[in-house]
Amino acid sequence: QKEVEQDPGPLSVPEGAIVSLNCTYSNSAFQYFMWYRQYSRKGPELLMYTYSSGNKEDGRFTAQVDKSSKYISLFIRDSQPSDSATYLCAMSRGNTPLVFGKGTRLSVIA
Amino acid sequence: GAGVSQSPRYKVAKRGQDVALRCDPISGHVSLFWYQQALGQGPEFLTYFQNEAQLDKSGLPSDRFFAERPEGSVSTLKIQRTQQEDSAVYLCASSLGLAGGPADTQYFGPGTRLTVL
Repeated sequence: QKEVEQDPGPLSVPEGAIVSLNCTYSNSAFQYFMWYRQYSRKGPELLMYTYSSGNKEDGRFTAQVDKSSKYISLFIRDSQPSDSATYLCAMSRGNTPLVFGKGTRLSVIA
Repeated sequence: GAGVSQSPRYKVAKRGQDVALRCDPISGHVSLFWYQQALGQGPEFLTYFQNEAQLDKSGLPSDRFFAERPEGSVSTLKIQRTQQEDSAVYLCASSLGLAGGPADTQYFGPGTRLTVL
């Protein structure tokens, strides 16, 4: 079993839909949780960063962390075709490298 | 430069050849990471530098992989006697401070796509 599990999709939604992306993890020592967006043939770029449990909102994006369930989510409201990309969850224990999920490929159809 | 740059962007090698991949981190960034991303997978950690010191190389898949950062800025990932299973995108990331600190964002380069024939 991998430390971080993420459904690879693909996920296809109509423009304006609410998108929910999720990851589960097995290592309870993870404290820092991130969501990266990766466009085709580009490097990952950081979208959201959360420390420990709780919610964080930034514009159309909301990240949630539930450490008791070892479950993190990213919600995208009013999705746009420009949101079409692969979304990677990532986490770390602190002074350690990032552990990534497999990534979920999202397509937002106009 | 404004971001992390990597060269070459694409590399085709014949099996058995040696390759060298370069990473130019953001100026002043202390930490530098190499990741390997296979097709359809998330990036997987290879090695980590703090300035010129290689503090973690636990992710390097074999002794054919070697990385250096001699002056604490530019880094090179070298793969000797390449094999087909080495085909992947190699990503470099840098961060301002110590790895994993609060809000210590890792900024990624565009990657080098290596194809071994």
